Amino acid sequence: DTEVTQTPKHLVMGMTNKKSLKCEQHMGHRAMYWYKQKAKKPPELMFVYSYEKLSINESVPSRFSPECPNSSLLNLHLHALQPEDSALYLCASSQNRDTPRGYTFGSGTRLTVV
Amino acid sequence: AQSVTQLGSHVSVSEGALVLLRCNYSSSVPPYLFWYVQYPNQGLQLLLKYTSAATLVKGINGFEAEFKKSETSFHLTKPSAHMSDAAEYFCAVSELNTGNQFYFGTGTSLTVIP
Repeated sequence: DTEVTQTPKHLVMGMTNKKSLKCEQHMGHRAMYWYKQKAKKPPELMFVYSYEKLSINESVPSRFSPECPNSSLLNLHLHALQPEDSALYLCASSQNRDTPRGYTFGSGTRLTVV
Repeated sequence: AQSVTQLGSHVSVSEGALVLLRCNYSSSVPPYLFWYVQYPNQGLQLLLKYTSAATLVKGINGFEAEFKKSETSFHLTKPSAHMSDAAEYFCAVSELNTGNQFYFGTGTSLTVIP
């Protein structure tokens, strides 16, 4: 299995809703990442988990809450989002943070906040 | 500090013509360099990577790139464009001393004209 699987593929939520994005990989990778991507822009790093511990939080608002329950799973909990948070949310994984072999990206969750 | 510059946010080529997408980087130490492709409404797919082995790197779908240290460049080429190559292309760089964190260029949108 050489994939990163993200669910759901599409999500529409109101500003008062609570929802979660899920990311799963079974490649034995020990680093996992959340990125936010606006249309026609490069991905922007949000969070980095290394060996299930949060190692980077790029000053992301607290309405985004990451969680790494185990080495294969990464969640992003969403609460009280704003319309400007609408974007493609990408999950990625890599063998670890010390091996420059590149990331494997999931297909993303297209989030629309109404 | 790391930075990646992709010259030309939009490139158009005729089907069968040479594809050349430019990427220049700035790095204080030897970098690791990557090209990713993103098709509409999809995640990022790794095309190829340079990690200090051969300077001419061959990737998937007939693409290749050459690392030129003297020019701090890592341009992406393909001898003959196909309609299916139309996509967004991102160059990325990472360094071990930044925890293997990726820095993306702003992207180049490739259009293939029939």
